[in-house]
Amino acid sequence: KAGVTQTPRYLIKTRGQQVTLSCSPISGHRSVSWYQQTPGQGLQFLFEYFSETQRNKGNFPGRFSGRQFSNSRSEMNVSTLELGDSALYLCASSIQGADGEQYFGPGTRLTVT
Amino acid sequence: GENVEQHPSTLSVQEGDSAVIKCTYSDSASNYFPWYKQELGKRPQLIIDIRSNVGEKKDQRIAVTLNKTAKHFSLHITETQPEDSAVYFCAASLTGGGNKLTFGTGTQLKVEL
Repeated sequence: KAGVTQTPRYLIKTRGQQVTLSCSPISGHRSVSWYQQTPGQGLQFLFEYFSETQRNKGNFPGRFSGRQFSNSRSEMNVSTLELGDSALYLCASSIQGADGEQYFGPGTRLTVT
Repeated sequence: GENVEQHPSTLSVQEGDSAVIKCTYSDSASNYFPWYKQELGKRPQLIIDIRSNVGEKKDQRIAVTLNKTAKHFSLHITETQPEDSAVYFCAASLTGGGNKLTFGTGTQLKVEL
């Protein structure tokens, strides 16, 4: 089975712009979670989608949003980018609805200048 | 919300020695505790996990123990090898919290020859 994939792998944006990141889960996995990884804050939960519904949301501003499609692929969007949004954005998929083993994608490295 | 503390932040051991990483969680409703290994530039990789109805789990050189009363869990790596060098993250998931993981701050393990 193919693993979790994310596109693009690298992205450079300017402050004030918006960005959309994509995540394709492992086939059959209906849960997709997004995390932000930075050297200062570590791994922080952004949100989780299950069967096209957002089930959980972390403590991030409304500029961070996401969605999930019927094929379980997920996208996250960040609007009005700030320098502090520079990070590695990781998605993880799980076959279980809760407390499931989560498998991470390679991440999208976002740099905001 | 849930808080996970992880110690130590760095750990250096000689090849063949054992390594122990400890985590403490705050919410007694947490019931799922995975451990991830992240090599430089790579995605976090699930290496072992434990659920609240189990006290210990072992997989070859890796073991995890859980003490629900004290709200802490530990990762044990025996007969360490240079390829064990990486950052290790513990995480916790709350009952009813879907697949939302709260991560510890990570431990940089260095196995020296």
